[in-house]
Amino acid sequence: DVKVTQSSRYLVKRTGEKVFLECVQDMDHENMFWYRQDPGLGLRLIYFSYDVKMKEKGDIPEGYSVSREKKERFSLILESASTNQTSMYLCASRSSGETQYFGPGTRLLVL
Amino acid sequence: SQQGEEDPQALSIQEGENATMNCSYKTSINNLQWYRQNSGRGLVHLILIRSNEREKHSGRLRVTLDTSKKSSSLLITASRAADTASYFCATHFVTDSWGKLQFGAGTQVVVTP
Repeated sequence: DVKVTQSSRYLVKRTGEKVFLECVQDMDHENMFWYRQDPGLGLRLIYFSYDVKMKEKGDIPEGYSVSREKKERFSLILESASTNQTSMYLCASRSSGETQYFGPGTRLLVL
Repeated sequence: SQQGEEDPQALSIQEGENATMNCSYKTSINNLQWYRQNSGRGLVHLILIRSNEREKHSGRLRVTLDTSKKSSSLLITASRAADTASYFCATHFVTDSWGKLQFGAGTQVVVTP
């Protein structure tokens, strides 16, 4: 079974803090994705990566950056957290097929 | 926005009844996928239907696709309490070469015993 893990289920941070969200997949997938999920808006793509050290902006990249130093790990970075970044963050990975495999999500609260 | 739109936003049914939800989209697709999300968890892939397919079945799930109307429906037959979840459609557009998906806002389904 494909397994995608995220470093934290719940996270509370203060405005202005630098926040790291980690995602690890164990299936040697090429592509990895970061989404945020907000009520009524569904999932919106923040960034994705199609290979190590390669990244592309998604629909809402502002205020975020990413890092992919190893194939299995894709990190989302909030350089200076703001209250409007309070959300559920979901990581996903995908091989050559069309299906995406999701992690359990990280619920981030920025105070 | 190219995002799919789901209808209804919420659905409440009793065990044993069928649940139907719809998804509409705006531009041509390679495939359309349905995912389920249990409360506060990640999404789980349910079924994929390609643009050249009209209907697909998986267990109690039936998906239809009408590319002329740019719409799809998901039918869950003989629903169970365990089917209580949010259901999302996701489209892979022909203009995308990276496998990116556009998700709808979801349909929240509650199945009561």
